[in-house]
Amino acid sequence: GAGVSQSPSNKVTEKGKDVELRCDPISGHTALYWYRQSLGQGLEFLIYFQGNSAPDKSGLPSDRFSAERTGGSVSTLTIQRTQQEDSAVYLCASRPGGRGNQPQHFGDGTRLSIL
Amino acid sequence: QQQVKQSPQSLIVQKGGISIINCAYENTAFDYFPWYQQFPGKGPALLIAIRPDVSEKKEGRFTISFNKSAKQFSLHIMDSQPGDSATYFCAASKASGTYKYIFGTGTRLKVLA
Repeated sequence: GAGVSQSPSNKVTEKGKDVELRCDPISGHTALYWYRQSLGQGLEFLIYFQGNSAPDKSGLPSDRFSAERTGGSVSTLTIQRTQQEDSAVYLCASRPGGRGNQPQHFGDGTRLSIL
Repeated sequence: QQQVKQSPQSLIVQKGGISIINCAYENTAFDYFPWYQQFPGKGPALLIAIRPDVSEKKEGRFTISFNKSAKQFSLHIMDSQPGDSATYFCAASKASGTYKYIFGTGTRLKVLA
């Protein structure tokens, strides 16, 4: 498709389990972002990729969170030993990359629920 | 300094009325200010964006007003329609580095038919 694709759209898991969230950016977009949207809150930045490298991981809330990107395309966000406070919508966005601000295009997110 | 403050938290407007959402920032390094519209169960979609070298930008019924000296910007939705009922987020991004967005906390708009 032409847009940012995220899977799964919904994920319900038990506390303590590991989860993997996937993002497939717009073709050709070298910059990729993960954000988290908690109930009643705005969107908070988690991590930024340029190509396969992540020069800014400053928003990852703990060492249980990690992300990788391979082939300059698909990215996975992994949360280990999930906690109830990890329940949120995880959004991925991409933009063409390069210098200068350009609009970020968002996927529809993965709604994560920790029981 | 990294915050973007958005108000109001919620807004109810009659059909045909004007919806106004305000945002304020502190970091003068921000140079790109987009507005996103989000419907339930969907990701945010870019509505309109502005850079600080202009004071106003209009696209259809949507207008951004930008006051650089006051470090404030606002979204005006003219002739508001029930289909405009959604959550609106302002954001700000710096001119260099990662270009990550700092988002406001969102405004839930309801337009009454």
